[in-house]
This record gives sequence, C-alpha cells and structure tokens, in this order.
Amino acid sequence: NAGVTQTPKFQVLKTGQSMTLQCAQDMNHEYMSWYRQDPGMGLRLIHYSVGAGITDQGEVPNGYNVSRSTTEDFPLRLLSAAPSQTSVYFCASSYGGTLSGNTIYFGEGSWLTVV
Amino acid sequence: DQQVKQNSPSLSVQEGRISILNCDYTNSMFDYFLWYKKYPAEGPTFLISISSIKDKNEDGRFTVFLNKSAKHLSLHIVPSQPGDSAVYFCAASAGGNNDMRFGAGTRLTVKP
Repeated sequence: NAGVTQTPKFQVLKTGQSMTLQCAQDMNHEYMSWYRQDPGMGLRLIHYSVGAGITDQGEVPNGYNVSRSTTEDFPLRLLSAAPSQTSVYFCASSYGGTLSGNTIYFGEGSWLTVV
Repeated sequence: DQQVKQNSPSLSVQEGRISILNCDYTNSMFDYFLWYKKYPAEGPTFLISISSIKDKNEDGRFTVFLNKSAKHLSLHIVPSQPGDSAVYFCAASAGGNNDMRFGAGTRLTVKP
C-alpha cells in the first residue's frame, strides 16, 4: 500500500546545481501537486497537474519545472538551485477536486538544503 | 499575502480537555475548508473538512465550525488525547479546484 512515494528524502545541493525530486503514486489519481513548507508559511503550492500531459503553475512556481508524462509520476525539477529553495517539499495526489470530498494524500516529504 | 491565517503557533491542553484551534481567511471566494494533521517527518494527513453550505461538521472527537460572516473556522477536539499532539494546518480552496491555500499551522501539545 505505497500511496504517494517521494525520493530522495534528504538532499544537499550546492547553489547552481540542478536536481529532480521524484514523486509516484499508485492510486490512479488524476490530480498531483507539489508543495513546499517553510517555517511560518504553511504549505504553498508550486505546480500541479490535473492529468497526464497537463500541468499548471501554483502560488510559487518560479525556479521549478514539472512534467506529467504518465498518470503515476510527477517529477519536480530545480533548474539552478538557490538557497531560497531550501525547504521541505511535499508531493500530493487526489482522485478529484476538493468539493467532491476526495481526500488529498501527501507523501512523506523531501528535505532539501541548498548551500 | 497570506489568505489563510492561523494566529496561534502553539497550543497546550491537558488530556481529556477540549482543544480549540482557530483559523481565519480573507478570500471570500473560498468555499471548501479542510484541516490536516501532521506528525514530525511525515506528510500531512486529512482530518476533516467542511463546505461553505454548512456551519458544522462532526467526525467522532473532531468538529469543525464555520462562521462565514466572520471568515473564521475552528477545529474542536473533545476529549483531547496525547496522540493528538501534532501540527494542525487549516486549508481552504475556491471553486472546487485543488489549489488549496494553507495556514502556517498550530502545534498542539496534549499533556497526560
């Protein structure tokens, strides 16, 4: 019963490096999203996807790219890491919209430090 | 511009008593509200939700109250248990989409 799986769990990057946070879900959910959690800020939406081949920007998209080639996977790419991207990243998925009452499931988080 | 605010960063209550966590929002377009619970080193887990057509939703020990005129919602936990100790996030969305806006969270500590 994997649910939402994120890798890696911890990562340290140097400024300017690129990396990809992986996210996979095995629940056949159409909707997937990425959030970042910063102290005093709650969770903020970076990018989301309502289905394979469709992505859109959330509240804080700058510095991040996403793609959705399959229903299961939704990787988040940092093109040129900056210290401001030090954060905890959460991937989430759900079957449908929140008004339908569908629960949004979160992964366990990826701790990223940019030095 | 934080549209969902949880003004109490922490709350401590005694086991068996009531815990009341508060949340305020500024966007009048929000019509669906959720509470998530988060333990350290884990992702948030869904706790309870409420639609703007209701003013109360109950699920076991957890009740959420919504006051639309005041743009305020609260989560009541009765009775509180030590296992309830966690960070609680309030979230809101508009128009049925998944673009949820979260509050900063309230850390609840329930003392035995």
